[in-house]
Amino acid sequence: GQSLEQPSEVTAVEGAIVQMNCTYQTSGFYGLSWYQQHDGGAPTFLSYNALDGLEETGRFSSFLSRSDSYGYLLLQELQMKDSASYFCAVRDGRGSTLGRLYFGRGTQLTVWP
Amino acid sequence: DTAVSQTPKYLVTQMGNDKSIKCEQNLGHDTMYWYKQDSKKFLKIMFSYNNKELIINETVPNRFSPKSPDKAHLNLHINSLELGDSAVYFCASRGGTAGSPLHFGNGTRLTVT
Repeated sequence: GQSLEQPSEVTAVEGAIVQMNCTYQTSGFYGLSWYQQHDGGAPTFLSYNALDGLEETGRFSSFLSRSDSYGYLLLQELQMKDSASYFCAVRDGRGSTLGRLYFGRGTQLTVWP
Repeated sequence: DTAVSQTPKYLVTQMGNDKSIKCEQNLGHDTMYWYKQDSKKFLKIMFSYNNKELIINETVPNRFSPKSPDKAHLNLHINSLELGDSAVYFCASRGGTAGSPLHFGNGTRLTVT
């Protein structure tokens, strides 16, 4: 089975940097993804790590350590609009027909002015 | 030019009724999913279809019956609705490469009274 652990809440102020962690246990692993969801909205894709290391996209970076079954999402220069829930997700199969995405319970990020 | 669209956006109904949610994607993806998000924001996979064929059924009660008339559509019919079915239901689609992300519809908020 799949198990993902995320802190339930994180708060920070505008302009700060925040790191949201994710640890996972999985019977098969084909990458760690991150999704953002604003209240009342749909989850939207942020990043994907298949290999160890850091992936950077603008203010967002995502890190993976497969040996530690651990990853994190780093948000820099926080803005009020970054207040949302952030979900990590693991895929348990390759390609389209086998892969299913299991989500953690999400971290609610609140950014204060 | 909405990528994944689902209708209706809101659904309020009484226990015991039968209801359907429709989903369509114009991304040309082969794989479509239904996810259920509960009041604590936990996103749980329900079904996956690939080219109209059922791939994944995550131990969902058989009151839930997905139907895929073609690979661009995946509908969800729910019989004998129960209070516990109240949730937000998301349709999603995905391309065929290993790291391709899920594209979610805007969700259907189902309230059973």
